[in-house]
Amino acid sequence: KAGVTQTPRYLIKTRGQQVTLSCSPISGHRSVSWYQQTPGQGLQFLFEYFSETQRNKGNFPGRFSGRQFSNSRSEMNVSTLELGDSALYLCASSLAGAGQGGYGYTFGSGTRLTVV
Amino acid sequence: AQSVTQPDIHITVSEGASLELRCNYSYGATPYLFWYVQSPGQGLQLLLKYFSGDTLVQGIKGFEAEFKRSQSSFNLRKPSVHWSDAAEYFCAVGARTGGFKTIFGAGTRLFVKA
Repeated sequence: KAGVTQTPRYLIKTRGQQVTLSCSPISGHRSVSWYQQTPGQGLQFLFEYFSETQRNKGNFPGRFSGRQFSNSRSEMNVSTLELGDSALYLCASSLAGAGQGGYGYTFGSGTRLTVV
Repeated sequence: AQSVTQPDIHITVSEGASLELRCNYSYGATPYLFWYVQSPGQGLQLLLKYFSGDTLVQGIKGFEAEFKRSQSSFNLRKPSVHWSDAAEYFCAVGARTGGFKTIFGAGTRLFVKA
């Protein structure tokens, strides 16, 4: 069974640009969450989607947005990139249904974004 | 709001020795608790999880964890460490907040001496 697929694996962008990252969850998983991982801040929760609806959002500025499609694939977008946005962005899918939890995540390998 | 503390930034153990990684959580109700492992440049892999039932849970790769409500702890253990266990380990607490949100600790880097 295929795992969580994130594309691209590596990305270099210039300050002020925007970027879109993609995540394909495990087949049958309808919940997708995104995390930002940096050496200084660790794993920070960005948002969670279930059935195309954002259920939860972390404390990130509005430059960070996401969406989920009817096939459960998800994208996140960062506009007006800043140097501090350089990080590993991880997508995680779960069997968790609406209002449920506790299944745990299956993570992708991440997208390494470098902003120069 | 939930929070997680992993007091040890890094730990070094000899191969074959036992291991215990500490985790303390804060949450008003019974939380969902998880341990994940991350190898360099990779995503995280779920080792084990707990919500209810037996407070000693078994996971993959020979790991186990014990939930102690009185101490708000969920420590990870392994009786005999292998060199391939060298990685970063994250404790996490999940809670229903509208949807479901999982908060991760800062992680503990495990080094294994030959």
